[in-house]
Amino acid sequence: QSALTQPASVSGSPGQSITISCTGTSSDIGGYNHVSWYQQHPGKAPQLMIYDVSKWPSGVSNRFSGSKSGNTASLTISGLQAEDEADYYCSSYTSSSTLVFGGGTKLTVL
Amino acid sequence: QVQLVQSGSELKKPGASVKVSCKASGYSITTYAMNWVRQAPGQGLEWMGWINTNTGNPTYAQGFTGRFVFSLDTSVSTAYLQISSLKAEDTAVYYCARDPFYGFDYWGQGTLVTVSS
Repeated sequence: QSALTQPASVSGSPGQSITISCTGTSSDIGGYNHVSWYQQHPGKAPQLMIYDVSKWPSGVSNRFSGSKSGNTASLTISGLQAEDEADYYCSSYTSSSTLVFGGGTKLTVL
Repeated sequence: QVQLVQSGSELKKPGASVKVSCKASGYSITTYAMNWVRQAPGQGLEWMGWINTNTGNPTYAQGFTGRFVFSLDTSVSTAYLQISSLKAEDTAVYYCARDPFYGFDYWGQGTLVTVSS
């Protein structure tokens, strides 16, 4: 199972909105609504930000939102803040009953 | 509150074995699957597989068969990852993560395993 495709980096200024894409295939993202997004600060464990494409876990800001179209999922962060600077990973359930992560995207807040 | 607390960092020589523990508290470990994720230095997350915490049945991702073993001791609410015949390329941070809905809502703090002669 190949990793999902994410841009290596994205950037934005405080207050702006950014979107991170995550492209897979019909065997993973396109076939299931089990897409999750994780935020990871340096030296820390990942934190779940979105699950099942667009659902928020308890305690996560609604500045983070998720969507999906075909084989591509997206994470949008609105009202960008300095503390949003981190690595972001998508993941998807697959037709092989496995899970696959994206390669990760480094978000820089300018 | 829910916590997953992992064992401390390990320094091992090539060819040795290591066993990483992940102790769950704040919930019954048999309620949700437990997954394992690897992160090599400076690299992304890699799903290693999961263990059914009701049956103890493990499932391994491609690339993690043979030398990797997931196990469980429900009496102490602890999941384990054992890696044998360690290689330099096994150097990584290993995470356990709880999975209630195909998304990992709680993660251990990570265990750094360093393989070096």
